[in-house]
Amino acid sequence: SFELTQPPSVSVSPGQTATITCSGDKLGDRYVCWYQQKPGQSPVLVIYQDIKRPSGIPERFSGSNSGNTATLTISGTQAMDEADYYCQAWGSSAVVFGPGTKVTVL
Amino acid sequence: QVQLVQSGADVKKPGASVKVSCKASGYSFTDYAIHWVRQAPGQRLEWMGWVNVVNGNTKYSQNFQGRVTVTRDTSASTAYMELSSLRSEDTAVYYCARETIIVAGTGADHWGQGTLVTVSS
Repeated sequence: SFELTQPPSVSVSPGQTATITCSGDKLGDRYVCWYQQKPGQSPVLVIYQDIKRPSGIPERFSGSNSGNTATLTISGTQAMDEADYYCQAWGSSAVVFGPGTKVTVL
Repeated sequence: QVQLVQSGADVKKPGASVKVSCKASGYSFTDYAIHWVRQAPGQRLEWMGWVNVVNGNTKYSQNFQGRVTVTRDTSASTAYMELSSLRSEDTAVYYCARETIIVAGTGADHWGQGTLVTVSS
């Protein structure tokens, strides 16, 4: 079955760039979405169709997807960006979420 | 504004069933599908299934085959998720979320507030 993998955690200093990867077989052939989830809150869509930002999502969030890896990049990371981030793609007729990456802003 | 409002927290005994509702407002209900996603305490998001609101077609995760049923009532702009044969491992927050059915890959852009279901004897 189709699976996605993510690093469990990423640490970043304020103002620096956080890079979160998501890997899966031929992932570049599928659309990838990214969600941000803060403790006790519902997930928020931050990237869809690999590279697009929904209205209201800051420009510091960007995405890419090629080969077997999709990447979420947070440029100029702020303390408010500390959260869990999940990638998501469609497998064969089923939605698949990655295991999530905890981003800590030190 | 777009809102998905879910039913309140529930406590069930093992072996029972639970039905969670998700009432939509602020948009055309039939332009979107509704996903159901759950999250056990401290765990990852887990997709359960979805319903195409227009025609009622459904897709389910194999992890829940036979135990989950997703339906919708277009007259009430409400989607439902029923999970049967509950066990303690089903204790989780259950979310509904909408995704357009018109264009692929757009993701779930609005989520409900979540419903905590506790399974305990």
